Amino acid sequence: NAGVTQTPKFQVLKTGQSMTLQCAQDMNHNSMYWYRQDPGMGLRLIYYSASEGTTDKGEVPNGYNVSRLNKREFSLRLESAAPSQTSVYFCASSVFGSGELFFGEGSRLTVL
Amino acid sequence: GESVGLHLPTLSVQEGDNSIINCAYSNSASDYFIWYKQESGKGPQFIIDIRSNMDKRQGQRVTVLLNKTVKHLSLQIAATQPGDSAVYFCAEKNFGNEKLTFGTGTRLTIIP
Repeated sequence: NAGVTQTPKFQVLKTGQSMTLQCAQDMNHNSMYWYRQDPGMGLRLIYYSASEGTTDKGEVPNGYNVSRLNKREFSLRLESAAPSQTSVYFCASSVFGSGELFFGEGSRLTVL
Repeated sequence: GESVGLHLPTLSVQEGDNSIINCAYSNSASDYFIWYKQESGKGPQFIIDIRSNMDKRQGQRVTVLLNKTVKHLSLQIAATQPGDSAVYFCAEKNFGNEKLTFGTGTRLTIIP
């Protein structure tokens, strides 16, 4: 049982490049999330999706787009990467209404 | 709660002693609170949750206390062990809304 799988685990981009972080869960969860975590800081919510076909902005959505491709997959796209987007990105999923989120291992992104 | 800067509050506790980690939340409308543990290099893991109609909930070696009057949450860990060393986050949400917001973390270090 893989849980929440994120790819890639590491990525280096140049300013202005684009990329997509992929996330998939195999727990049949309705809710999925994308957070970013900067060094020594807490997690800030970028976007979340309460169900297939719906997405909502979190605390720091600027510079990002998301797609809830189906119930299993929730991707995060950076259209034009900036150094301020250097961070560790975590995807998570949960049963609808639960506060128990299951997190992936994180994707470490560096923008030069 | 919100991240307050680059340096997490820290707490050092002797092995075997009890630990108390505090969290002040900001949204008086929040009615569901959760504690997470994050070990180095990993995603956060759920520890325990509490709903706003309760003021105390116990788990295995952990107790969460909620004081809605002063918007304060605490996590008590009994008989701390080296494996308890981690960063601990409180999180809050409203029932009916899947948005889960994390507060400022606390780094707990267990002294052998």
